Amino acid sequence: QVQLVQSGAEVKKPGASVQISCKASGYSFSNYYVHWVRQAPGQGLEWMGRIKCNDGSTIYAKNLQGRVTLTRDTSTTTLHMELNSLRSEDTAVYYCMRDNHAWSFDYWGQGTLVTLSS
Amino acid sequence: QSALTQPPSASGSPGQSVTISCTGTSSDVGGSNHVSWYQQHPGKAPKLMIFEVSQRPSGVPDRFSGSKSGNTASLTVSGLQADDEAEYYCSSYTDRNTWVFGGGTELTVL
Repeated sequence: QVQLVQSGAEVKKPGASVQISCKASGYSFSNYYVHWVRQAPGQGLEWMGRIKCNDGSTIYAKNLQGRVTLTRDTSTTTLHMELNSLRSEDTAVYYCMRDNHAWSFDYWGQGTLVTLSS
Repeated sequence: QSALTQPPSASGSPGQSVTISCTGTSSDVGGSNHVSWYQQHPGKAPKLMIFEVSQRPSGVPDRFSGSKSGNTASLTVSGLQADDEAEYYCSSYTDRNTWVFGGGTELTVL
């Protein structure tokens, strides 16, 4: 069965970087896109970016461009999201999701909480 | 890209129907058939309920339906059940090759 399993919660200091991993299984990895979104506490969903798993090409949300990097490792079918220069408003649950070829998100990871604390 | 506009709350009694709206612009909802809806229970990841405006993934009850008129998409939940109580988000692909979400609607089953 399709699964996206994310790495565990992180606590970071302002100005630091965080990397979250998302292990994909149960489907043909290179045939799909994977997106990332985040959800601040008590808030809605914010789209962050998308990676094409066969060639690694990316698209990012304009407000995060320059701070976020999406990569993938086809040998381990793992996606990575790195966010730099962390600030308090980056405290959120981060999700990876598979695109179902219809520009919608059919499978989601369990979410990774990133907390900023000085 | 501004978030799509959803009402913050909606409610209905068991067995009734409720419709949640999602208003965007001609750059997203109005110009795209890639509008989707997600259900999120507290502490859980969202779940895809509707894609391509009105398509249901397998396993989603036909009590859930979607539609679109102009720049506004709608999700209708018929025959409300207690487990339908959740937050609902719409999403749309945009003409800038990005995605945008609505602010979410909290559905309460009275």
